[in-house]
Amino acid sequence: GAVVSQHPSRVICKSGTSVKIECRSLDFQATTMFWYRQFPKKSLMLMATSNEGSKATYEQGVEKDKFLINHASLTLSTLTVTSAHPEDSSFYICSARRRTGLEAFFGQGTRLTVV
Amino acid sequence: GIQVEQSPPDLILQEGANSTLRCNFSDSVNNLQWFHQNPWGQLINLFYIPSGTKQNGRLSATTVATERYSLLYISSSQTTDSGVYFCAAGGKLIFGQGTELSVKP
Repeated sequence: GAVVSQHPSRVICKSGTSVKIECRSLDFQATTMFWYRQFPKKSLMLMATSNEGSKATYEQGVEKDKFLINHASLTLSTLTVTSAHPEDSSFYICSARRRTGLEAFFGQGTRLTVV
Repeated sequence: GIQVEQSPPDLILQEGANSTLRCNFSDSVNNLQWFHQNPWGQLINLFYIPSGTKQNGRLSATTVATERYSLLYISSSQTTDSGVYFCAAGGKLIFGQGTELSVKP
């Protein structure tokens, strides 16, 4: 159990367009989901925390108007990168946590390239 | 917020050797996890270990919560153990900088 699926795994988009990344918990209800960003050879940087049915909490320095996070159901959270620029190119990873317990489970990640 | 530090940053081993990776955290936590990131970026859950000791095959982990550190032990290392090992701690799951392990045949 505890499978988290992220889609797409890889996406290339043109500068100025928006791209949506989905994160689904396949076999459990995820009351909390996290979104991270990872640069090459670096650690994971927490971008925001989302709780089902409420607004996401963004970490300091993360533009909430650029990185729109929606957690509309107990199994789905989405990250939309709006008006993407080449500097938004990165590896984005989501994780999900059950209602009970603190252990988090991670999706496969999405490699975004903005050209 | 909580700070998480890992050591060493890099580690090169000969196949069959044992190793210990360390994770220090700056505040008391009720959540600590160890992960292995594979070459495709997937984070594999190794241990959820806010305190105590756990073992899974050749891997084991110990967290001493009162002293704010956790250790990951890898015994009889194999080339497939290569990759980056992360610890993450706290309610927001803050990550350390990772240890990049390379196991040579």
